[in-house]
Amino acid sequence: QTVVTQEPSFSVSPGGTVTLTCGLSSGSVSTGHYPSWYQQTPGQAPRSLIYNTNTRSSGVPDRFSGSILGNKAALTITGAQADDESDYYCVLYMGSGISVFGGGTKLTVL
Amino acid sequence: QLQLQESGPGLVKPSETLSLTCSVSSGSISTSSYYWGWIRQPPGKGLEWIASIYYSGNTYYNPSLKSRVTISVDTSKNQFSLKVSSVTAADTAVYYCARQVRNGKDGMDVWGQGTTVTVSS
Repeated sequence: QTVVTQEPSFSVSPGGTVTLTCGLSSGSVSTGHYPSWYQQTPGQAPRSLIYNTNTRSSGVPDRFSGSILGNKAALTITGAQADDESDYYCVLYMGSGISVFGGGTKLTVL
Repeated sequence: QLQLQESGPGLVKPSETLSLTCSVSSGSISTSSYYWGWIRQPPGKGLEWIASIYYSGNTYYNPSLKSRVTISVDTSKNQFSLKVSSVTAADTAVYYCARQVRNGKDGMDVWGQGTTVTVSS
């Protein structure tokens, strides 16, 4: 069974840059997995940040960017702010209409 | 602006069937390229994609849940629904409905607020 891997936790200083990654337990992530990224704060529904690897969703500031880095999808936050402290989830499209979420990364801004 | 709203019982007994409905407002469920999905999140855990459906009735399921899950659509009511049979405590979660653009290839761009379902006798 395919497992989508993310760092369980990460920390960044205010104003700093952080890159979260999204990998596969077996194999490499490519644009053909159409990686997407979501931000979730406690008690709230997820919010779409990035889709199709590197396209920002409506209203998402340009300090959020998506890419493929090596064999993983990546979400980079440049100039981190206090309200970026959230859980971040990636989703990979595995074909045949099936999507798989990563386990999520808890980002701390301190 | 498109809105999604989940509804259904908040408490389900073990071994029974969980039934939820997502109502779509300010937009048509029968719009090309948009699929409609269910995602859940157990308490303190991550998100899990459950299933999606196109307005034509084409369905897609998480292989690990497929044997117990049914997704359906009612275009006349602009709603889609989820049924999970033989529930256990492990099915306790917040259940979200979401719009999946090109069945997720362009992400899940609109989400409902979520509804909490507890499985307990």
